[in-house]
Amino acid sequence: AQRVTQPEKLLSVFKGAPVELKCNYSYSGSPELFWYVQYSRQRLQLLLRHISRESIKGFTADLNKGETSFHLKKPFAQEEDSAMYYCARAPQGGKLIFGQGTELSVKP
Amino acid sequence: DGGITQSPKYLFRKEGQNVTLSCEQNLNHDAMYWYRQDPGQGLRLIYYSQIVNDFQKGDIAEGYSVSREKKESFPLTVTSAQKNPTAFYLCASRTGTSLTNYGYTFGSGTRLTVV
Repeated sequence: AQRVTQPEKLLSVFKGAPVELKCNYSYSGSPELFWYVQYSRQRLQLLLRHISRESIKGFTADLNKGETSFHLKKPFAQEEDSAMYYCARAPQGGKLIFGQGTELSVKP
Repeated sequence: DGGITQSPKYLFRKEGQNVTLSCEQNLNHDAMYWYRQDPGQGLRLIYYSQIVNDFQKGDIAEGYSVSREKKESFPLTVTSAQKNPTAFYLCASRTGTSLTNYGYTFGSGTRLTVV
């Protein structure tokens, strides 16, 4: 079965510290991988797509096929980054498979 | 204002009752999805539809039913057979044309509570 694993339920860091949210996926061909974010009282929204190799709000994510990982990183966390983060992959058929989610808490 | 509208925001259901959650989109998206969000379990796919008059079961379809009679609408019925229906339900849609653009648009969700 195709799976996405986010090993940390909660990640707590201080403002200005680096942050890395882990995501591993089960190997199957060429994956399409995404990070979604849900801020408090807001809708779930797309943050990053691996295919576009972009940096959004200072976040980047690199696909590592050898380690089957797609970790989300930011060098200096901000309080407004506090949110629920979901890693997701898209197998054939268009449906997204989500990880369990990691709650990021950035303390002042 | 384009987007996905889910209603109601909060829904209370008595044991043994069926309830229907509404999901409407005016984005002209082909595909629509229903997810259930539970703490610590992420989002789990209930049903999805890639085209009008067609839908497929997701990972946790038991106790749920859907219909897709119109492109804009994908209602979800939570039946009395669903043993643990209390949860947050999210509807999503995406355009079906691009294999590299799986960006979903999500609704604001419906919180269902069994009383």
